Amino acid sequence: EVQLVESGGGLVRPGGSLRLSCSASGFTFSTYTMHWVRQTPGKGLEYVSTITNDGTSTLYADSVKGRFTISRDNSKSTLYLQMNNLWTDDSATYFCVKDTRRGHGYNWNFDLWGRGTLVTVSS
Amino acid sequence: DVQLTQSPSSVSASVGDRVTITCRASRDISNWLAWYQQRPGQAPSLLIYPASSLHTGVPSRFSGSGSGTDFTLTISSLQPEDFAVYYCQQTSSFPITFGQGTRLQNK
Repeated sequence: EVQLVESGGGLVRPGGSLRLSCSASGFTFSTYTMHWVRQTPGKGLEYVSTITNDGTSTLYADSVKGRFTISRDNSKSTLYLQMNNLWTDDSATYFCVKDTRRGHGYNWNFDLWGRGTLVTVSS
Repeated sequence: DVQLTQSPSSVSASVGDRVTITCRASRDISNWLAWYQQRPGQAPSLLIYPASSLHTGVPSRFSGSGSGTDFTLTISSLQPEDFAVYYCQQTSSFPITFGQGTRLQNK
């Protein structure tokens, strides 16, 4: 089955850290650019970060730049998001999403989404 | 950043109705617009990109149109499974951005 399964969310205090993981199956993970997108009831869907298929290029939203790090292990078909110095505004459901683009580069169209993992930043 | 404004924010309709949702961009994005559907408790799913091309497996009752700054998503004959939230997304410039969503409710 083609799917993405996120894990690692939870409750963390402001200034704390979390590492999200996303396990991919049913497709050739190493072929595709991957992204993280988050969603809150108040701000809706928000782009977070991108990594190309080979991991050589990464991009970040200004709101997370310098605090979050995206990475991937193609041998394990797993995507990661290391989140440091978390703010209350980072509270959201985080989705791992697959780009439609095969190979290096981006289409920015997301044809496969995980179910999401909830991150709550609160004291 | 490109801002996307969807209208209406919420719409009530019945099975069999024709429904149109609008997305307006804050600047010209050519045809670099996608539409997503999010059913309750589920992740979004890709419907249309760019602007008017149906994604694989999407029923033909969905259609998209527009270019520049004004875009529409039309559902020609609502089915029960279409009651959901719909989002537009621009892929013209980084960072990609989403509209605030339109909730399609059963009247």
